[in-house]
Amino acid sequence: DVKVTQSSRYLVKRTGEKVFLECVQDMDHENMFWYRQDPGLGLRLIYFSYDVKMKEKGDIPEGYSVSREKKERFSLILESASTNQTSMYLCASFPGGGVYGYTFGSGTRLTVV
Amino acid sequence: AQKVTQAQTEISVVEKEDVTLDCVYETRDTTYYLFWYKQPPSGELVFLIRRNSFDEQNEISGRYSWNFQKSTSSFNFTITASQVVDSAVYFCALSGPRTSGSRLTFGEGTQLTVNP
Repeated sequence: DVKVTQSSRYLVKRTGEKVFLECVQDMDHENMFWYRQDPGLGLRLIYFSYDVKMKEKGDIPEGYSVSREKKERFSLILESASTNQTSMYLCASFPGGGVYGYTFGSGTRLTVV
Repeated sequence: AQKVTQAQTEISVVEKEDVTLDCVYETRDTTYYLFWYKQPPSGELVFLIRRNSFDEQNEISGRYSWNFQKSTSSFNFTITASQVVDSAVYFCALSGPRTSGSRLTFGEGTQLTVNP
C-alpha cells in the first residue's frame, strides 16, 4: 500500500520559531506537494517539487520555504512562524502518470501561539 | 488560471437519500484532469476518482457515480442511498495537462452530513 507519512500529527510552536514539517513517501514518486487547509478556503498550494532539488512556488508561498534533498523526502519550513500560519498542513505525492490520484498524508495540525 | 467552485458549503440528508455534490471548474487547458476526494473526520484525504478531459463517459462505482459534462464545465458527484459513513468533506479538484509538475487546484469543499 502506498504511503505518505507526515512526521507530526499535532504541533504547537511559538511565534518567531523556525518550524520544520517533514513528509516522506515510499512510492518513488517524482512529484511532491505541500498544501494548507483552512475552513472555507479548501486546500491551497504552498510549494511543490517535481524532482530532487527542484521546487516551484504555489499560490501562497510567502513565509514558507521547502527542501527536497532526496526523492522520498519533502520538507516545509516556516522561517519565522506567525499566528496566521496556524493551520492544517497536508503533504501529497504523485507519480506523474497513470490513472491514480495524488496520495495524501494524514496532515499536521500546527498551532502557532 | 484554474478555478474550482463547489457552491454547496454544507449538505445535510437523512440516511438512504440520494445526494448530489456539485462541482464547476474553469481552465484554459484543452487537456486536464478532474478529481474527487473524500476527507472523513480522521483528516486524511481519500482519492475517489480521476477523470481526463477526453473521457466524458459517466462512471459508476457501487453507490457512487460521477457526471462529467464538458459543455457546462461540471463534474458532479452523486451518492445513492447515502449512509452515515458517507459523512465527510468532499473536495473536487483540477490539474493541468502536465502529468509531471502539474499542480492540483481544489474547490472549497462540501461538508456532507448523513443523519441516521
